[in-house]
Amino acid sequence: ETGVTQTPRHLVMGMTNKKSLKCEQHLGHNAMYWYKQSAKKPLELMFVYNFKEQTENNSVPSRFSPECPNSSHLFLHLHTLQPEDSALYLCASSPPGQGGAKLFFGSGTQLSVL
Amino acid sequence: GESVGLHLPTLSVQEGDNSIINCAYSNSASDYFIWYKQESGKGPQFIIDIRSNMDKRQGQRVTVLLNKTVKHLSLQIAATQPGDSAVYFCAENPTGGGNKLTFGTGTQLKVEL
Repeated sequence: ETGVTQTPRHLVMGMTNKKSLKCEQHLGHNAMYWYKQSAKKPLELMFVYNFKEQTENNSVPSRFSPECPNSSHLFLHLHTLQPEDSALYLCASSPPGQGGAKLFFGSGTQLSVL
Repeated sequence: GESVGLHLPTLSVQEGDNSIINCAYSNSASDYFIWYKQESGKGPQFIIDIRSNMDKRQGQRVTVLLNKTVKHLSLQIAATQPGDSAVYFCAENPTGGGNKLTFGTGTQLKVEL
């Protein structure tokens, strides 16, 4: 266990549904991330939060809406997704200081959009 | 833009042999590198890291080598075991890049019994 917990592990949703992915960490980290992992492609950074403030939005479509209420919790709200959004969505966290680039990942949410 | 790539998508080794997974990077400003292991159904798991002021770093059964001259990174796994079967990713963090990592596409390591 890495200390980063994601729920649900699997999610199937229709294109008109609204769902949310949840991530929490109790490692004392101050930064949290959402990554998208598609088959045979590098991990794609979606969003970065530092001390609850969004510091990176990697040109992600607005149908993905992140929320970070505190440094321990991160959500990804999904609405009107497309089939090409089907992928593994990974949450990660990292500590402050020089270790800030050392990411700890959750197990991911496998999302299927029908 | 900058990229991180892996030489081989799949590597098959016999149990007990040593494995070497290679990674090329193009951003000469990168000063921190990480290797991750991802097993099926799990998220990437940190294996070992190295900063650009080092050429080599050893962990438990793993060694990372960094050649800054040719911008090459390698992960060596000694006495490969079936539990080592996974996808291995290298990632780089450029100087001034904050806490962002750029990942390669991964190498699938298959351990044959």
